Amino acid sequence: EIVLTQSPATLSLSPGDRATLSCRASQSVSSYLAWYQQKPGQAPRLLIYDASNRATGIPARFSGSGSGTDFTLTISSLEPEDFAIYYCQHRSNWPPFTFGPGTKVDIK
Amino acid sequence: QVHLVESGGGVVQPGESLRLSCAASGFTFSTYGMHWVRQAPGQGLEWVAFIESNGNDKYYADSVKGRFTISRDNSRNTLYVEMNSLRVEDTALYYCAKAVGYFNYWGQGTLVTVSS
Repeated sequence: EIVLTQSPATLSLSPGDRATLSCRASQSVSSYLAWYQQKPGQAPRLLIYDASNRATGIPARFSGSGSGTDFTLTISSLEPEDFAIYYCQHRSNWPPFTFGPGTKVDIK
Repeated sequence: QVHLVESGGGVVQPGESLRLSCAASGFTFSTYGMHWVRQAPGQGLEWVAFIESNGNDKYYADSVKGRFTISRDNSRNTLYVEMNSLRVEDTALYYCAKAVGYFNYWGQGTLVTVSS
């Protein structure tokens, strides 16, 4: 089973800051990695798929990069609505479809 | 637009059973695989089960294998999960999700609480 780890657990930033979130896989997942955003009381929303492709309707300030075992989600300039929890997830060698433990981006 | 509505959650005692449903609309349900994903209170996301579009192939997380059964009725555009021998640790918000590799559409979830 492929295990995903995310760092940091919490990222405290201000609006306008750049956010850099990391996801590491225990073995290569090629580019089969996605990022989701979840706000309190809401279902997760797909942001990035196949490591670097923005999902429909996702603003350009969100970008993803990486391949193999190391991946990054970057939010170029944080908007107030971006403070949330972010999860990575892989679809390589399933099942299971594993999620990372999440990174909380909160207001500094 | 894609719409997924879960129902059937509630409060049950350990060892009891529950069946959740997910009504789908806005897409051709019979051509997509579907998942159940859960989230324990204050915790992260855990994939539970997946069923292929034709209902023939099913996959489960080790934590629910042998206790949960995923199924679908393509004539009713509805996804199900039958949950037996429920445990306290099954307490969670259960989401159904449409996926093409990734979970691109989610319902709002139905809450299952297992407590004595």
